Amino acid sequence: GAVVSQHPSWVICKSGTSVKIECRSLDFQATTMFWYRQFPKQSLMLMATSNEGSKATYEQGVEKDKFLINHASLTLSTLTVTSAHPEDSSFYICSARASSGVGNNSPLHFGNGTRLTVT
Amino acid sequence: AQSVTQLDSQVPVFEEAPVELRCNYSSSVSVYLFWYVQYPNQGLQLLLKYLSGSTLVKGINGFEAEFNKSQTSFHLRKPSVHISDTAEYFCAVTSKAAGNKLTFGGGTRVLVKP
Repeated sequence: GAVVSQHPSWVICKSGTSVKIECRSLDFQATTMFWYRQFPKQSLMLMATSNEGSKATYEQGVEKDKFLINHASLTLSTLTVTSAHPEDSSFYICSARASSGVGNNSPLHFGNGTRLTVT
Repeated sequence: AQSVTQLDSQVPVFEEAPVELRCNYSSSVSVYLFWYVQYPNQGLQLLLKYLSGSTLVKGINGFEAEFNKSQTSFHLRKPSVHISDTAEYFCAVTSKAAGNKLTFGGGTRVLVKP
């Protein structure tokens, strides 16, 4: 089945530094990738939609300059948390879809998530 | 706007007993519905989905769900649970009108007891 690889699985960084999280589709091309944030014992909140070759679309309330998203190829999207603060500590999950049509049996495939801890 | 409500935040159940996880959605257009499972410190795995056709959908690991348009529900069921079914379960909805973005419910934590 389709596999999405997310790296790193966990990272600890100091306040003020930047952290890059990679999301790769290993056996399919993903024109669209999604980045979610999940707080402990809560649901997933969509942060942004990453489109290959164009700017990401951010959800309301998500700071574009803080959460930089780059989707430079059909198999890779990156999320960079810039100038991280302790309140950015969370579980970040990416997902990818092989095509833009839900109706053609193309579900989202999720990475295993990245736990970010900012000290 | 679309939304999803999972009525139970936690469901304790004994091993080999049946379980039902409730999900209700709100949307003014035709929807696509999904159930995902999340094990600790992992991403989400798709259990099953409803896109169209038969309202009874069978998924992996013995799970099934029934789409009920009149009640705007998509409840998940399993006739006999295993210890390994202990996990967090998320119901999600999307539609073409929503740009195929998934909206997740708050999740239901299933704890299977021996």
